[in-house]
Amino acid sequence: EDQVTQSPEALRLQEGESSSLNCSYTVSGLRGLFWYRQDPGKGPEFLFTLYSAGEEKEKERLKATLTKKESFLHITAPKPEDSATYLCAVHARGGSEKLVFGKGTKLTVNP
Amino acid sequence: DAGITQSPRHKVTETGTPVTLRCHQTENHRYMYWYRQDPGHGLRLIHYSYGVKDTDKGEVSDGYSVSRSKTEDFLLTLESATSSQTSVYFCAITTKGRPTTSGRDEQFFGPGTRLTVL
Repeated sequence: EDQVTQSPEALRLQEGESSSLNCSYTVSGLRGLFWYRQDPGKGPEFLFTLYSAGEEKEKERLKATLTKKESFLHITAPKPEDSATYLCAVHARGGSEKLVFGKGTKLTVNP
Repeated sequence: DAGITQSPRHKVTETGTPVTLRCHQTENHRYMYWYRQDPGHGLRLIHYSYGVKDTDKGEVSDGYSVSRSKTEDFLLTLESATSSQTSVYFCAITTKGRPTTSGRDEQFFGPGTRLTVL
């Protein structure tokens, strides 16, 4: 069974304090790993898709990396507006179009 | 936002009543999805569609049915709502087969519908 585990569940940072969020996964062949940002009361906002180990993608202060067992979302010098819940999801090979989501990491950045 | 709208955005209903949620997209995407999001469970797939009249079940499909008679609309129906179906429901599309900024599939979500079953 495909599984996604995100850690920590919650993370509180000071503005400018860099850190990383973890997404570990078990899947029968990875087709893609997705990162989303979700603000309260809104739908998830697409950030990145990673497809193979060693791949990296960046967007502003965010950088996502992928290994064969996990993905990291690195946040460099975060600002209060980066506060949100970050979701990770995997898309397994096999023809199904289903994504399996982790429960998310709630990030709070204090000014 | 990939042109996805959901209606209604909020609904309060009573146990045993039928409820239909609508997802509408304007960009002619083939794949559409319904998820529910609950504290402690994250996002879970209810049903998805890979074309007009082509649908399949997700991991939490019991008590839900879907229909897709037009490319742009994907309906989720609770035939007889129960309190356990109180949740936030999200519709999503996948850009499968379309050019994207990343060059591959991307999935985008609608704004959500908050459903309360009393």
